[in-house]
Amino acid sequence: GQNIDQPTEMTATEGAIVQINCTYQTSGFNGLFWYQQHAGEAPTFLSYNVLDGLEEKGRFSSFLSRSKGYSYLLLKELQMKDSASYLCASPAAGNKLTFGGGTRVLVKP
Amino acid sequence: EAQVTQNPRYLITVTGKKLTVTCSQNMNHEYMSWYRQDPGLGLRQIYYSMNVEVTDKGDVPEGYKVSRKEKRNFPLILESPSPNQTSLYFCASSLSMTGYGYTFGSGTRLTVV
Repeated sequence: GQNIDQPTEMTATEGAIVQINCTYQTSGFNGLFWYQQHAGEAPTFLSYNVLDGLEEKGRFSSFLSRSKGYSYLLLKELQMKDSASYLCASPAAGNKLTFGGGTRVLVKP
Repeated sequence: EAQVTQNPRYLITVTGKKLTVTCSQNMNHEYMSWYRQDPGLGLRQIYYSMNVEVTDKGDVPEGYKVSRKEKRNFPLILESPSPNQTSLYFCASSLSMTGYGYTFGSGTRLTVV
């Protein structure tokens, strides 16, 4: 089976750093995805980790520890446009991408 | 431009009136999937298709049907919609079933009254 947990909501100040944690239990690990979703819009791909460690892409970085079933998304130099939901997802055995409930990030001036 | 096109974007309908939400992709992807998104429940898979004429149930298939007669199209059919199917629906396509490179459609907000 597949179970993915992430916090419901986080608030941070413009220019700051926020770390969104995601824990998962999966019967067949095949990588971990992060998506960004603005309200009412489609999710857009941010990152994909399949090996342990940190992957950096500009202001966004994603980390994975397979032994701990843990990932995080790090958003640096927060901007107002980063206010959105961030979805952690992992492919499960059974041909689907399973999503966590999403973390809503609110960036304040 | 590579994209997944869903129609309509918004739909209000009445209980029991059959409807179809269309989904089309121009990337020659084999894998397509439908999700619904509800507050507090996240994205949940309804049906998926691994190729033409190959479809299977996801986590919440009750009340829905799909078909995959052509590679590019994957319509979602609600034969007799009910108010609990009021939701935001997303179609997605991908090169593979593991989800790498998932591209989502822009969504269909359905209200059943």
